[in-house]
Amino acid sequence: DAGITQSPRYKITETGRQVTLMCHQTWSHSYMFWYRQDLGHGLRLIYYSAAADITDKGEVPDGYVVSRSKTENFPLTLESATRSQTSVYFCASSEPDVGELFFGEGSRLTVL
Amino acid sequence: ELKVEQNPLFLSMQEGKNYTIYCNYSTTSDRLYWYRQDPGKSLESLFVLLSNGAVKQEGRLMASLDTKARLSTLHITAAVHDLSATYFCAVDIEANKLIFGTGTLLAVQP
Repeated sequence: DAGITQSPRYKITETGRQVTLMCHQTWSHSYMFWYRQDLGHGLRLIYYSAAADITDKGEVPDGYVVSRSKTENFPLTLESATRSQTSVYFCASSEPDVGELFFGEGSRLTVL
Repeated sequence: ELKVEQNPLFLSMQEGKNYTIYCNYSTTSDRLYWYRQDPGKSLESLFVLLSNGAVKQEGRLMASLDTKARLSTLHITAAVHDLSATYFCAVDIEANKLIFGTGTLLAVQP
């Protein structure tokens, strides 16, 4: 089915471990984004990408790494997870002219 | 520092009543979006406002944008329980990068 999918949907890990959250979209949208959602903060932009091999930092990039070798995939890696990275992570995509973001179902990450 | 402020943060209202959620932002932008989020779910796009004076309506919800005042409103008419959710506004600061408000939790009571 067309759309944007995230995996895993739920993940529990330990402090210091590396974790990768996957995001895949089938619309061939140019733009892709990673947000985190925490109580009291709404959604905050971590990283975004305007096209394959083009990425840039958002509001809260520290502790995260992204890559975009293919248009349809935009993985987010926590190289050494910390408890403060416990959150719900949303991937989104959009086309430049429209600007409207389409969100995945979210990945709930718990760091113990 | 860019700020996108919504108020109220929490709104409890009775069915049949009208109310307005406000979204103020601190930077120049002529693109603003409203999203709805049900508990434990993803965000669903409600309205795309792309110019000053834009007004969009869908059912009991109407959104407007005043770019000069840096203000958007989401008006609820004759609320029903199904509208209970969290509503977010988001401002496009450049190249589709959206900065979100903290959200308004709406609870419609019978």
